[in-house]
Amino acid sequence: KNEVEQSPQNLTAQEGEFITINCSYSVGISALHWLQQHPGGGIVSLFMLSSGKKKHGRLIATINIQEKHSSLHITASHPRDSAVYICAVLSYNTDKLIFGTGTRLQVFP
Amino acid sequence: SQTIHQWPATLVQPVGSPLSLECTVEGTSNPNLYWYRQAAGRGLQLLFYSVGIGQISSEVPQNLSASRPQDRQFILSSKKLLLSDSGFYLCAWSGDAYEQYFGPGTRLTVT
Repeated sequence: KNEVEQSPQNLTAQEGEFITINCSYSVGISALHWLQQHPGGGIVSLFMLSSGKKKHGRLIATINIQEKHSSLHITASHPRDSAVYICAVLSYNTDKLIFGTGTRLQVFP
Repeated sequence: SQTIHQWPATLVQPVGSPLSLECTVEGTSNPNLYWYRQAAGRGLQLLFYSVGIGQISSEVPQNLSASRPQDRQFILSSKKLLLSDSGFYLCAWSGDAYEQYFGPGTRLTVT
C-alpha cells in the first residue's frame, strides 16, 4: 500500500463544476503539499499545509491531521484547470517528500 | 526573488551515451537541493538530495550520480544511459521552511 493515496485517479468535469480531489496518507508529516503539473511537465506548488485550510482564488485546500486526510477543491472549474494534481507529504521522520501518483483532471467547456 | 533553472529542457540520447543535466538556483544561499524523476505513467521519485556542497545522498540504487560543485549548482550524471532512464527529471530546492520549489524539468528520452 502506498504511503500517499489519491482519489480519484482520473476526473472529468464540465466547466463550472465543483471539484474535489482527495489525499490520504499513512505517515507522520511535517507538511502537505498540493502540486499542479501541466501537460508540458512543469510543476507548480499550489499549497503547503500543516493544519486547517487555505484558499487561493478558486482553489481551497484543507487538511485533517487526526484523520490523515487532505482535500483540494476547485470551485467554478475551467478548462485551464485541466492538469495533473499531485499530493505530496513531507515525512516527519525522513524530512523528504513522498508523492501520490496524481489525479488527472480534464475540464470540458 | 528565487529562481531555479534547469537545462536542457528536452534531450534525446542513445543507450550507452553519457548524461549531464544541470540545475542552478538564484536568489538564495545554502539551499537543500533535490533531483526527482517521473517515469511515464508513474509518480515522482526522489533520486538524490543535497544539504550542502559535496554532500549527496542517494535514495535509489541506479546508474545515475549527482554532484554539487557549488552551493547553488546541482548536476545529475550518468556514464552510460539505459532505456529505463527515460523520464522527466525535476530539480527542486527548499530553504528553512517546508516549501519546495520545482524547476521547469528536463524530458529525457533514451533511444
